[in-house]
Amino acid sequence: RKEVEQDPGPFNVPEGATVAFNCTYSNSASQSFFWYRQDCRKEPKLLMSVYSSGNEDGRFTAQLNRASQYISLLIRDSKLSDSATYLCVENTNAGKSTFGDGTTLTVKP
Amino acid sequence: DTGVSQDPRHKITKRGQNVTFRCDPISEHNRLYWYRQTLGQGPEFLTYFQNEAQLEKSRLLSDRFSAERPKGSFSTLEIQRTEQGDSAMYLCASSLVSSGGEQFFGPGTRLTVL
Repeated sequence: RKEVEQDPGPFNVPEGATVAFNCTYSNSASQSFFWYRQDCRKEPKLLMSVYSSGNEDGRFTAQLNRASQYISLLIRDSKLSDSATYLCVENTNAGKSTFGDGTTLTVKP
Repeated sequence: DTGVSQDPRHKITKRGQNVTFRCDPISEHNRLYWYRQTLGQGPEFLTYFQNEAQLEKSRLLSDRFSAERPKGSFSTLEIQRTEQGDSAMYLCASSLVSSGGEQFFGPGTRLTVL
């Protein structure tokens, strides 16, 4: 079993739709969590941090559930420009990072 | 440009040759990470430095791989006796210890081993 698991998708949604991704992690000692966005043949770019209390950045909402060891990302009012691969990552206190393999989103007109 | 830079952007080599990649992190960042990424996979952790100290190295990494960060600034990743399976994108990222782990990535070096 991989340390960080994501549904690879693809998720194909129409513009304006709401879509949610989950990511599960196995290391109960993980300290911090993030979502990254990666466009085709580009480097990952930080999208947002994930906090236990939940956090929102515009159309994006991230949530952490430590008891069930998963994090989620919700995208509301999807735009064509949201089409990308979304990577979740967990960091240990020692600084090591483990990425999931990503979930591919395609937003269609 | 004050972001993370990597050199070269592309490298084609023959099997058995040695290659070296360079990463220049964001100047005030004290942590530097190396990852490898292949198509359809997420970035795979290779190693990371805090200042000049190499704090962790992936168990998946063979002895052919070595990384240095001699003055706590730029870093190099060397692969000796390259194999076709080493073909991948090699990504470098940097962060501040105080930032809680937010990493900023360079554009990567794409390695092709023939």
